[in-house]
Amino acid sequence: SQTIHQWPATLVQPVGSPLSLECTVEGTSNPNLYWYRQAAGRGLQLLFYSIGIGQISSEVPQNLSASRPQDRQFILSSKKLLLSDSGFYLCAWSVVGAAEAFFGQGTRLTVV
Amino acid sequence: EDKVVQSPLSLVVHEGDTVTLNCSYEVTNFRSLLWYKQEKKAPTFLFMLTSSGIEKKSGRLSSILDKKELFSILNITATQTGDSAVYLCAYVPLSGNTGKLIFGQGTTLQVKP
Repeated sequence: SQTIHQWPATLVQPVGSPLSLECTVEGTSNPNLYWYRQAAGRGLQLLFYSIGIGQISSEVPQNLSASRPQDRQFILSSKKLLLSDSGFYLCAWSVVGAAEAFFGQGTRLTVV
Repeated sequence: EDKVVQSPLSLVVHEGDTVTLNCSYEVTNFRSLLWYKQEKKAPTFLFMLTSSGIEKKSGRLSSILDKKELFSILNITATQTGDSAVYLCAYVPLSGNTGKLIFGQGTTLQVKP
């Protein structure tokens, strides 16, 4: 069966520090991968998606970037965090051509 | 701009009550509509709706889509405290194989004993 791992679960970082969140999927090949952010009391906003290694599409302009160095690995990064980057970050995967996505447990990021 | 609007934003009921959550959408290229339940962390998939008028059912939960009026409802009968969660509605646009989801704000449901 497929599983998705996301870490760390929580993170407190100072303004201006770098960020690296990692997500890996097991039990499937060539998945579509996604990074979403959820602000408090809000729905999920799609940040990035990837349909293959090295193929990244950004949905909103921001201080973050994403990379997919391997088929089942998706990384969310920032060189210098802003206070507004605080939020709950969720990684997700889906089978190519399928509608439903499956989510990781999320990372709660607090920038102080 | 495509958007998904959920109502109410929050709801408090007592165990045994029946609730109806609403999701309306304004989209240009509709493929499917999904419902998720988010308790603490990862949203878990509930239903996918593609055709109008066909009810999807799972235990005490059911959902239906109206593609003419552009909305979906999620019903929960005989609510239990374990139903307390944020319920998210999302639509899937026709955009090749990307599988992007556009989410509504969510409805926070609290079921009191």
